[in-house]
Amino acid sequence: GAGVSQSPSNKVTEKGKDVELRCDPISGHTALYWYRQSLGQGLEFLIYFQGNSAPDKSGLPSDRFSAERTGGSVSTLTIQRTQQEDSAVYLCASSLPGDLNQPQHFGDGTRLSIL
Amino acid sequence: AQKITQTQPGMFVQEKEAVTLDCTYDTSDPSYGLFWYKQPSSGEMIFLIYQGSYDQQNATEGRYSLNFQKARKSANLVISASQLGDSAMYFCAMREGQAGSARQLTFGSGTQLTVLP
Repeated sequence: GAGVSQSPSNKVTEKGKDVELRCDPISGHTALYWYRQSLGQGLEFLIYFQGNSAPDKSGLPSDRFSAERTGGSVSTLTIQRTQQEDSAVYLCASSLPGDLNQPQHFGDGTRLSIL
Repeated sequence: AQKITQTQPGMFVQEKEAVTLDCTYDTSDPSYGLFWYKQPSSGEMIFLIYQGSYDQQNATEGRYSLNFQKARKSANLVISASQLGDSAMYFCAMREGQAGSARQLTFGSGTQLTVLP
């Protein structure tokens, strides 16, 4: 079946512009996560959605970052007034709800470059 | 304090030999899960293996096994019979919390494994 789909795969934009990154999770996965991976680094948690519950935004690095999830499926991560330090790969993951043993399945990521 | 520590930035192994990638973790939560992911140069994150904090036996998945030592808080990944395609970055990750609470993963900094022909 289809995996987690992210678009665009690459995005180059100028400093100060807004960007929107999209994630389409695996069908039936109610948990959705956004992570950021800077060059040569591990993954940094950004935000987590579970069903219709309020999202856990504890990992968002600044108020320039926001995310929404419409209809419990597709999610959009928005970065306003981009800065060069926002350059990274943004990864989305989804999983079945509930138990700790549910692995998160990742998309291929969006590589964001801020000029 | 780091929750997940991977002390080997890079590892080399000869093809067909076994290799162990180290991972130690820190948590006060009695319920947690430990995961290993593989990230080839193409960038995708591939789930390899899972170990739960209450599991009595070490997890195995094909050529992957997890050497879980709970008292030492270590969860080392063992890859047997290494193949050239195993060359990749390997991440150890942990999820804390009670059942029914699907929390985010906390990742280590990764180990770059290179398999030599």
